[in-house]
Amino acid sequence: ETGVTQTPRHLVMGMTNKKSLKCEQHLGHNAMYWYKQSAKKPLELMFVYSLEERVENNSVPSRFSPECPNSSHLFLHLHTLQPEDSALYLCASSQVYGESNEQFFGPGTRLTVL
Amino acid sequence: GQNIDQPTEMTATEGAIVQINCTYQTSGFNGLFWYQQHAGEAPTFLSYNVLDGLEEKGRFSSFLSRSKGYSYLLLKELQMKDSASYLCAVQDSNYQLIWGAGTKLIIKP
Repeated sequence: ETGVTQTPRHLVMGMTNKKSLKCEQHLGHNAMYWYKQSAKKPLELMFVYSLEERVENNSVPSRFSPECPNSSHLFLHLHTLQPEDSALYLCASSQVYGESNEQFFGPGTRLTVL
Repeated sequence: GQNIDQPTEMTATEGAIVQINCTYQTSGFNGLFWYQQHAGEAPTFLSYNVLDGLEEKGRFSSFLSRSKGYSYLLLKELQMKDSASYLCAVQDSNYQLIWGAGTKLIIKP
């Protein structure tokens, strides 16, 4: 595996379900991010982990819960979601303190909440 | 507040040149990025500007004017595969990326 991988690629869940999204980066980076992408809206930063510590959560509802067990893995735990949470969820990684902090993205998980 | 503005959609002809503009107002500035995103795919990095001027990379060039809070992405010799959304993002004083909503570029034969 190379780059940033995400699983599952597609997820359909009911409002009472609990599910988790997984992200893994194979780039040796020290920061990882969760973004939400809705149609015709800017990417919304949800969570940032830098050096395995959460540094930003941008007032995300508590029904979204991140977990970063090490610098290569990032999870987003989902529970009691709402239909408006349906979106593309993107994971990214970068090397902070590098020259440009360019972020590398995974392919995303297309989430549909019924 | 922080704001990134770019046109919602643009149309151009195969083989032509197109310029996608981006204006920004952010708390601090630590560089501007352009990303390309094909439908249903992840954004991929195109360019990074931190100093004023033009950066050229093959058919793509990116320009920055920090005093005007302005950047553009110039695409030459357009190909059908260039049909995608182009995202402008500014790195603020906290080194977080502030994203524009993206410009959907449609290439016609």
